[in-house]
Amino acid sequence: KNEVEQSPQNLTAQEGEFITINCSYSVGISALHWLQQHPGGGIVSLFMLSSGKKKHGRLIATINIQEKHSSLHITASHPRDSAVYICAVFGSSNTGKLIFGQGTTLQVKP
Amino acid sequence: NAGVTQTPKFQVLKTGQSMTLQCAQDMNHEYMSWYRQDPGMGLRLIHYSVGAGITDQGEVPNGYNVSRSTTEDFPLRLLSAAPSQTSVYFCASSLTGPPYEQYFGPGTRLTVT
Repeated sequence: KNEVEQSPQNLTAQEGEFITINCSYSVGISALHWLQQHPGGGIVSLFMLSSGKKKHGRLIATINIQEKHSSLHITASHPRDSAVYICAVFGSSNTGKLIFGQGTTLQVKP
Repeated sequence: NAGVTQTPKFQVLKTGQSMTLQCAQDMNHEYMSWYRQDPGMGLRLIHYSVGAGITDQGEVPNGYNVSRSTTEDFPLRLLSAAPSQTSVYFCASSLTGPPYEQYFGPGTRLTVT
């Protein structure tokens, strides 16, 4: 079993829909990273969080440390949100090493 | 700031050839790492470094060498390329200490025939 599990693996939505991507992890962590990768593109950081909730534009990330779970929400989704979303965790040993989920492929149709 | 840069963007090698993937950052980050990304496997750590002169192995180090002679540069060497090394390679960097956001390079797409 992977230490970081994402669901769903694939997601198709209509433009305007509210989207939720989930991330569960089984290890102790010091922080969690949400990353975005467009097709054929590089990887960019969306959020890094260790507690509570962060918001940036239409994106919201939450984390529940007790339940070892994080969610990424996209409000009013748009075709340009189509990408792979990757959850990654920093282990509690603070070495800087990340443990990655498998990614969620999102397609938003116009 | 150029951020994290990688060269080349694309490379085709024949089995047995050697090459070096270059990675550089201009943010004075101590921590640098190399990942490979394969379909269905996610990102896997190859090697990492917490500062000049210090490197360590990650999850999938076999077939790869690294060195860190300066803070800025972290090259990845393939000594004898194999088809199993066909992948997309990403370099990343961050500050060390409390978890800091990692910055990724644009990637190098390598094909070994």
